[in-house]
Amino acid sequence: GQQVMQIPQYQHVQEGEDFTTYCNSSTTLSNIQWYKQRPGGHPVFLIQLVKSGEVKKQKRLTFQFGEAKKNSSLHITATQTTDVGTYFCAGRNFGNEKLTFGTGTRLTIIP
Amino acid sequence: AAGVIQSPRHLIKEKRETATLKCYPIPRHDTVYWYQQGPGQDPQFLISFYEKMQSDKGSIPDRFSAQQFSDYHSELNMSSLELGDSALYFCASSLNVLSSSYNEQFFGPGTRLTVL
Repeated sequence: GQQVMQIPQYQHVQEGEDFTTYCNSSTTLSNIQWYKQRPGGHPVFLIQLVKSGEVKKQKRLTFQFGEAKKNSSLHITATQTTDVGTYFCAGRNFGNEKLTFGTGTRLTIIP
Repeated sequence: AAGVIQSPRHLIKEKRETATLKCYPIPRHDTVYWYQQGPGQDPQFLISFYEKMQSDKGSIPDRFSAQQFSDYHSELNMSSLELGDSALYFCASSLNVLSSSYNEQFFGPGTRLTVL
């Protein structure tokens, strides 16, 4: 079955440093979504990428979808304490409704 | 704005008991999803419904069943509970992929099930 892996599993950064998480799918995706889950909370949608090579920005967050539509990345510039949480990518295959969540990257910020 | 509502928020059951979790999607959303999230793990897709019909199935045990009712709320029924069923169960709703190319999923707050 489809597998979606993320690296790193954990990332500890000093406040103000940059952070990147990488997502790799075993299959070509129709689209990929990113979610953030705060400790004790539920996943919250961040963005959806559909086109090959697509890049989207949300303030300090930059999302990229690979040319082959099998990988994606999320980059946060100048992290803040509010960025703490686990970031999940979630891929959808063509013709399917279900999302396959990645293994997640847990970000902690050292003030 | 209205969000996805789940009840109960917490549930404690004994082994071999049954449990029913409820989900009320965002109004006008036609698709409901159920996920199971163990401690420190990613959400695992269980099952989804589109317009009250099962639309996709994931790693849902045979002991579990779910349905969507005419008012679009959904229930996840879990029987013969096992210790390993202890987890957070999320419901999410969205517009279906057939009706919208942009179908972010809105998650409810989850039901924390503890099986003793």
